[in-house]
Amino acid sequence: GENVEQHPSTLSVQEGDSAVIKCTYSDSASNYFPWYKQELGKRPQLIIDIRSNVGEKKDQRIAVTLNKTAKHFSLHITETQPEDSAVYFCAASKAFGQNFVFGPGTRLSVLP
Amino acid sequence: EAGVTQSPTHLIKTRGQQVTLRCSPISGHTSVYWYQQALGLGLQFLLWYDEGEERNRGNFPPRFSGRQFPNYSSELNVNALELEDSALYLCASRGGSLAKNIQYFGAGTRLSVL
Repeated sequence: GENVEQHPSTLSVQEGDSAVIKCTYSDSASNYFPWYKQELGKRPQLIIDIRSNVGEKKDQRIAVTLNKTAKHFSLHITETQPEDSAVYFCAASKAFGQNFVFGPGTRLSVLP
Repeated sequence: EAGVTQSPTHLIKTRGQQVTLRCSPISGHTSVYWYQQALGLGLQFLLWYDEGEERNRGNFPPRFSGRQFPNYSSELNVNALELEDSALYLCASRGGSLAKNIQYFGAGTRLSVL
C-alpha cells in the first residue's frame, strides 16, 4: 500500500524566514496531495492541496510543489509568523474520494 | 453551516470494555472517514464509509468496526479495549461537488483506556 514519509519531524525558524517541509510517497498511482495544519488541541484543517496534473500551486504565503517523477511534494511557507506554529501533515490519495494516507507530521515552531 | 460534529468529546474506559463513538458529517456530505491519532503520532486511517457502505479499512484489528446510517452519520465501535487504544479519534466528511476531494475534520473524541 501507499507509504508517505515526511521530513523534518521538527522545524524551528525565525519569524519572517521561510519554512520548507518535504514529503515522499511510494505509490505512483497517487494523484491528490493535501496539506493539513493542526494547531495544539484543534482539529486538522486543510491549508492547500495539489493534484497530479499540476506542478505548483500558490495561495498567498503558502505554496506546494509536486515532482511526480521523483514522487515527492513540498510545502513552502514564506514570511513565517508566530501563528504558523503548528503540526503540518502531508497526505496522498490514489483516487477521488479515497481515504488519505498521512505522513507522520512536522512540528513547526516560529520563533519571535 | 455546521461542521463535522463528534460525540462524546472525552471518554474514559477500562481495559476490556467496549466503546461507541459518533460522528455527524457536514450536511450534504455522504462520505465519512475515521482516523486514529495516538499521542505525538500522525493520523492513521481506520475506516471509510460512503452511501452506507464500508469502502475501505486500514490496518486495524477486527475489534474496530463501524457503520453509517441512512442520514450519513456514523459510529465507530471498539471492542475489548486495550491500553494502546488510547488516542484521539477523528472523523472527517467529504461530499458536495465532484470537483472537491477535501476532507473536513471534526474536533475528535479523546479516548483514555485505563
